[in-house]
Amino acid sequence: GENVEQHPSTLSVQEGDSAVIKCTYSDSASNYFPWYKQELGKRPQLIIDIRSNVGEKKDQRIAVTLNKTAKHFSLHITETQPEDSAVYFCAAGAAGGTSYGKLTFGQGTILTVHP
Amino acid sequence: DAGVIQSPRHEVTEMGQEVTLRCKPISGHNSLFWYRQTMMRGLELLIYFNNNVPIDDSGMPEDRFSAKMPNASFSTLKIQPSEPRDSAVYFCGSAFYGAVLETQYFGPGTRLLVL
Repeated sequence: GENVEQHPSTLSVQEGDSAVIKCTYSDSASNYFPWYKQELGKRPQLIIDIRSNVGEKKDQRIAVTLNKTAKHFSLHITETQPEDSAVYFCAAGAAGGTSYGKLTFGQGTILTVHP
Repeated sequence: DAGVIQSPRHEVTEMGQEVTLRCKPISGHNSLFWYRQTMMRGLELLIYFNNNVPIDDSGMPEDRFSAKMPNASFSTLKIQPSEPRDSAVYFCGSAFYGAVLETQYFGPGTRLLVL
């Protein structure tokens, strides 16, 4: 089955700096890569996703890049703000096949943005 | 749009008691999943339904756990008998699974404490 590794497990930055979180996946059939943000005591919520037919996607201060050959994808947050502090999860999944769209999640990254 | 609904939001019970968690997916979604989240083990997929049929229950810890989805708008996760190590936040979520993967939405979670 799919295996997703996420690094780093914790990340501390100063407000205004950039933050990068990286994930690798094992199943070349995976074609959907969402990123979730989970604030303390809340549910995970989708912040951005990318499909395997594109290499990069951007939404304001958030961007995601995908390298299918190397099987890794990354989340980039620019001009970080204290409200970006949360746990971030990457995930991988595939349409079709026997997985029926099941997502495999990384272990999570605790991002702390210091004012 | 009500989103995914879970009940109860909090549950405190004693070891050995039966616990039933309930979930109502988003209308029109055909996939439903149950996750367990703890500090030690992160976000674990317990079971995944597609069109009310369990597709993957390999994450169900042991026979004490069971899940059902009698119709497209309701699912239960039951723990019998409960143990202190079952204490966690249990998330239910749903998605529409078709030719491509669509966003998986999480419910607010049930915080379970087994004494």
